[in-house]
Amino acid sequence: DAGVIQSPRHEVTEMGQEVTLRCKPISGHNSLFWYRQTMMRGLELLIYFNNNVPIDDSGMPEDRFSAKMPNASFSTLKIQPSEPRDSAVYFCASSLGDAEKLLFGSGTQLSVL
Amino acid sequence: SQKIEQNSEALNIQEGKTATLTCNYTNYSPAYLQWYRQDPGRGPVFLLLIRENEKEKRKERLKVTFDTTLKQSLFHITASQPADSATYLCALRDTGRRALTFGSGTRLQVQP
Repeated sequence: DAGVIQSPRHEVTEMGQEVTLRCKPISGHNSLFWYRQTMMRGLELLIYFNNNVPIDDSGMPEDRFSAKMPNASFSTLKIQPSEPRDSAVYFCASSLGDAEKLLFGSGTQLSVL
Repeated sequence: SQKIEQNSEALNIQEGKTATLTCNYTNYSPAYLQWYRQDPGRGPVFLLLIRENEKEKRKERLKVTFDTTLKQSLFHITASQPADSATYLCALRDTGRRALTFGSGTRLQVQP
């Protein structure tokens, strides 16, 4: 397996634009997590899916953020409209079961100008 | 409030010595605790998991202890090598939640 695949690797956009981040989890994993990492706040959980169903979205900052998992092999995190304070590295991770041994993707470095 | 605290200052040690990193937590009742390694520009990589009823876990040169009374985990790397230089993150799963919460990490620098 190629591991958790995220795209794009880097994204530079202007304030107000829509940003969509993509994730392909490891085949067979039934849990998917979106995290955001910044120097100030570290690694923060945004949302967690189990069997394609959102279980915990308490970390989603505000209504500008939305996440979907239409099937077991694909998830998106959308920010609309984007703001400079959204600049961070966004990681997707998957696991078999609840949060045991998370396997992370390489992340998307987002810069909102 | 809930906190997971790791030493924010970098730990610098000489090659061959044992590195010891600390993870303290407050207001959590973790079902288990995990340690991850993160290299610059990469995602965290899972190293070890220790459950609440386990005192110690070993894997090659790595050793993790878990003291639920002290609310602390120690992560040891014996016979450290420059290749061990990275940021190490602890993470725990609270019994009331199904996802992991991460500490801010400690950067380890092993000097040759």
